[in-house]
Order: sequence, then C-alpha cells, then structure tokens
Amino acid sequence: DAGVTQSPTHLIKTRGQQVTLRCSPKSGHDTVSWYQQALGQGPQFIFQYYEEEERQRGNFPDRFSGHQFPNYSSELNVNALLLGDSALYLCASSPDRGLRDTQYFGPGTRLTVL
Amino acid sequence: GENVEQHPSTLSVQEGDSAVIKCTYSDSASNYFPWYKQELGKRPQLIIDIRSNMDKRQGQRVTVLLNKTVKHLSLQIAATQPGDSAVYFCAENIGAGGTSYGKLTFGQGTILTVHP
Repeated sequence: DAGVTQSPTHLIKTRGQQVTLRCSPKSGHDTVSWYQQALGQGPQFIFQYYEEEERQRGNFPDRFSGHQFPNYSSELNVNALLLGDSALYLCASSPDRGLRDTQYFGPGTRLTVL
Repeated sequence: GENVEQHPSTLSVQEGDSAVIKCTYSDSASNYFPWYKQELGKRPQLIIDIRSNMDKRQGQRVTVLLNKTVKHLSLQIAATQPGDSAVYFCAENIGAGGTSYGKLTFGQGTILTVHP
C-alpha cells in the first residue's frame, strides 16, 4: 500500500512564473491538506480539500490555489512566484473514516524560486 | 490567536538518556495533538498523538502528557538512540467541525541530537 505521494521531487522556477504541484493521497484517504515548510521552520497550513472543495484556508494570498479531483488526488498552483515562495511543499492526507483529523504527510516537493 | 510555543529549540543528550520536549498551545477548543519526527530531507512522520479526552498516552519509548487546564503538552523519549536524532514538532488541530477536519498549527520544532 503506497503512502502519500507527491510530484515532482524538486522544481526550479524563476520569479513571476507559475507552478503546479501534485499529490496522491494514501489509499482509503479522501481529504488532502497542503502545507508550506520554510527552511528551519514548522509546516504552515495553506488549505484543505474534501469532496473537491476547499474547506479551510490558512493565511496565504490568492496566488495560492488548489484543486481536488474525483479520485481524491490534488494539485497546488502558485502564480506569480516570489523568491519567498521557495520552500518545501508538503501534502498530507486524512482517512475517510475513523480518526479523520489524523494527517499523514508525503515526501514533499522542494521548490526553488530564482 | 493560533500559536504553539515549543521548547527547547535544540536538545543534546547522551544515548540511553531521556529527552523531554514541551509545548504550550493557545486554542482551548483544540482537541487533537500530534507529534511528528522529521529527519533531514524526509517527510514529517507521525510518532504519537493524543486527544483531549486523555491526559497521558504511551507508545514504544515515547510518552505524551496533556494538561488542558494550562494548555501544556510534552513528549518524553526514553532510552534514546542515535536514530532518534531528528527535528520534532508538536502541533494542535484547529478548526475541526462542519465540513472541515481542521488544520494543524505546528510549533517551531526541536532539533534533538543523541550522542553515542
């Protein structure tokens, strides 16, 4: 049983560009949350998707948007990239029954903005 | 507001000793508190969690304590091993209810080094 997977592993972009990151949740999970982890800090919540809708959002600008597909996979899109967007982007999934607030993380996508 | 204070920021112990990490959270409505271990370049890995209907939970060599009155929680790692060296994060779940399962607010992390 594969855990949470993310692609790509690493990505280099330049300021002003747009990026799309992808996440596949663990089998039996239907909720996906995205986090940004700057170097040396804890992850910060971006938003959460359930039933293909954004259910909760953290303190991130509208340049950050997302989508969830019928198979529960999810994308994170960031427009007009800034140098400060350089970080590890983590996806976490939660089970579709039982302890639904438990979150399991993927390996992350390391985004570098030059 | 949402805030989790974690200390110490760094902790160095000898192999076999215990390590204790403490957190203070802000939201009295929080009811779920996970702890994650993150090795360099790896994903955060859930090592133990506790819910607000408990004040103590034990795993293999790890114990978490929760004091809801003063909004404190702590993680103790017993008989530490070099493989325990990593960054440890506490977190609280905020905003669960309705159509959301809540978001995690993390502490700043504790860098644990276990010397052989």
